[in-house]
Amino acid sequence: LAKTTQPISMDSYEGQEVNITCSHNNIATNDYITWYQQFPSQGPRFIIQGYKTKVTNEVASLFIPADRKSSTLSLPRVSLSDTAVYYCLVGEVNQGGKLIFGQGTELSVKP
Amino acid sequence: EAGVAQSPRYKIIEKRQSVAFWCNPISGHATLYWYQQILGQGPKLLIQFQNNGVVDDSQLPKDRFSAERLKGVDSTLKIQPAKLEDSAVYLCASSLVPRGGETQYFGPGTRLLVL
Repeated sequence: LAKTTQPISMDSYEGQEVNITCSHNNIATNDYITWYQQFPSQGPRFIIQGYKTKVTNEVASLFIPADRKSSTLSLPRVSLSDTAVYYCLVGEVNQGGKLIFGQGTELSVKP
Repeated sequence: EAGVAQSPRYKIIEKRQSVAFWCNPISGHATLYWYQQILGQGPKLLIQFQNNGVVDDSQLPKDRFSAERLKGVDSTLKIQPAKLEDSAVYLCASSLVPRGGETQYFGPGTRLLVL
């Protein structure tokens, strides 16, 4: 399984766009990139998943360059409620569902 | 759609005691996972079930931890005897199919404190 590296923490202000970059140099051909969000006292929640280029949903965008060695989760116009830990995971689609969580990025949004 | 249910939400026990956690996955989800999340760390997979069979329990400390999913629906995770280092949040998750990266739906977790 590919190892991921992401910043331990980030600070932002309400209304700003936040970009969290994840490095996964050893990503394999069959690996997908998935991001989860976790609020205090709750389980992680799926945000977005992609394989290459750009994926967008109602919550976030995921940018994946051609070499797929990194990815960037983009949160548009964050609010205080976006304060959470964000995990980047890389895993093979047919690997039986195994998710390897790293330490995550603790995002703090200030007023 | 009801989410993943877990109970109890909190549990405090003394070391060497036993404890059990219960999980009810989302209806129709064949795959069930138990994770351990120590404070400040990401969740770590303990065991994965596909229906009532174990798919992966490579990181389950089998000398003290056990888990079962007898009818392919609910699951219980037991610790016997508990150690101080077992203090953590135990998360249950389920997914429709056992594919890597497939969306997993997590319950609220059970926070265990071992004194």
